[in-house]
Amino acid sequence: GENVEQHPSTLSVQEGDSAVIKCTYSDSASNYFPWYKQELGKRPQLIIDIRSNVGEKKDQRIAVTLNKTAKHFSLHITETQPEDSAVYFCAANGAGSYQLTFGKGTKLSVIP
Amino acid sequence: DVKVTQSSRYLVKRTGEKVFLECVQDMDHENMFWYRQDPGLGLRLIYFSYDVKMKEKGDIPEGYSVSREKKERFSLILESASTNQTSMYLCASRPTGNTEAFFGQGTRLTVV
Repeated sequence: GENVEQHPSTLSVQEGDSAVIKCTYSDSASNYFPWYKQELGKRPQLIIDIRSNVGEKKDQRIAVTLNKTAKHFSLHITETQPEDSAVYFCAANGAGSYQLTFGKGTKLSVIP
Repeated sequence: DVKVTQSSRYLVKRTGEKVFLECVQDMDHENMFWYRQDPGLGLRLIYFSYDVKMKEKGDIPEGYSVSREKKERFSLILESASTNQTSMYLCASRPTGNTEAFFGQGTRLTVV
């Protein structure tokens, strides 16, 4: 089955700096890669996703890049704000699969 | 707005009890999932269902079973609760295809 590795497990940045979280996946047939944000005590919520026919996607301060050859994808947050502090999960959906396989999460702390 | 609702936010059960966790979604999604969330381990899939009465084991099914008698409802059953099943349990639903999964608010189960 699919295996997703996520790094780093914790990340601290100063407010206004950029944050990058990286994930690798094992199934070359995987074709959908979402990112979820989970604030303390709340449910995970989708913040951005990318499909395998696209190399990059942006939404305001958030961007995701996908390198299919290397089987890795990354989340980029620019101009970080304290409200970006949360746990972020990457995931991958294998082709023909119903399920998402998640990374272990990255706890991002934005220091004012 | 998609709603995935779990029946309890917090539960305390005794070792050996049979425990039922209920999840209901209101968007007619075909696929439903039960995840377990533990610090440092991310979201691990216990079971999922892609149709009424259909179920598939995830990565950590031991000690659990599920039931899906109606499309909107997916139940997780701990046949004989043990202390190592103390955890946060998250239900999710998702339509067929490469799309977003929607999570419930989570049930924090403590087995004493």
